[in-house]
Amino acid sequence: ETGVTQTPRHLVMGMTNKKSLKCEQHLGHNAMYWYKQSAKKPLELMFVYSLEERVENNSVPSRFSPECPNSSHLFLHLHTLQPEDSALYLCASSQESGLVTEQFFGPGTRLTVL
Amino acid sequence: AQSVTQLDSQVPVFEEAPVELRCNYSSSVSVYLFWYVQYPNQGLQLLLKYLSGSTLVKGINGFEAEFNKSQTSFHLRKPSVHISDTAEYFCAVSDRGYSTLTFGKGTMLLVSP
Repeated sequence: ETGVTQTPRHLVMGMTNKKSLKCEQHLGHNAMYWYKQSAKKPLELMFVYSLEERVENNSVPSRFSPECPNSSHLFLHLHTLQPEDSALYLCASSQESGLVTEQFFGPGTRLTVL
Repeated sequence: AQSVTQLDSQVPVFEEAPVELRCNYSSSVSVYLFWYVQYPNQGLQLLLKYLSGSTLVKGINGFEAEFNKSQTSFHLRKPSVHISDTAEYFCAVSDRGYSTLTFGKGTMLLVSP
């Protein structure tokens, strides 16, 4: 148990669907992240939230929309996705304290876009 | 800009043999270095990290890594691997801390009997 949970674990959606990925951290951390993991490519940082405010957005297409209602929850809203968006989406959290600390990862949501 | 190169996409090895997974990085400033492991159907787990001090870093599960500034490398080693070490291993670098991790493409370690 890593303390970071993600639901659903698997998701299949059509290009016209709207769905949301959910992440919850039980570690009392104040920063949360979304990563995209595609085969044969490095993990790509998509979004960073610190103290519930977005602090980094690495030029992610607008069909991905994050939401961080509080420090324990993070959502990734999906709409009109493309087949190339199929990947493993990982959530992570960490405690921002001015020191370098560890990011704790969830198990991921395996997304398939048809 | 920083980058990470993991030279081997796959490393096959027999059980109880030693292994080294290679990682090279590029950065214009001082860096922090990390190795993460990903077991099948799981998220990433931190194996070890180099922040400062001793260049030889020991991590969990018997792994260690050595920071070599002149060669810009942070290779991961284990003297004797187990079947259970079969997983994908990711090297990562940061020049400002955890929120700016840049990952390599990963190395799949395949341990066979």
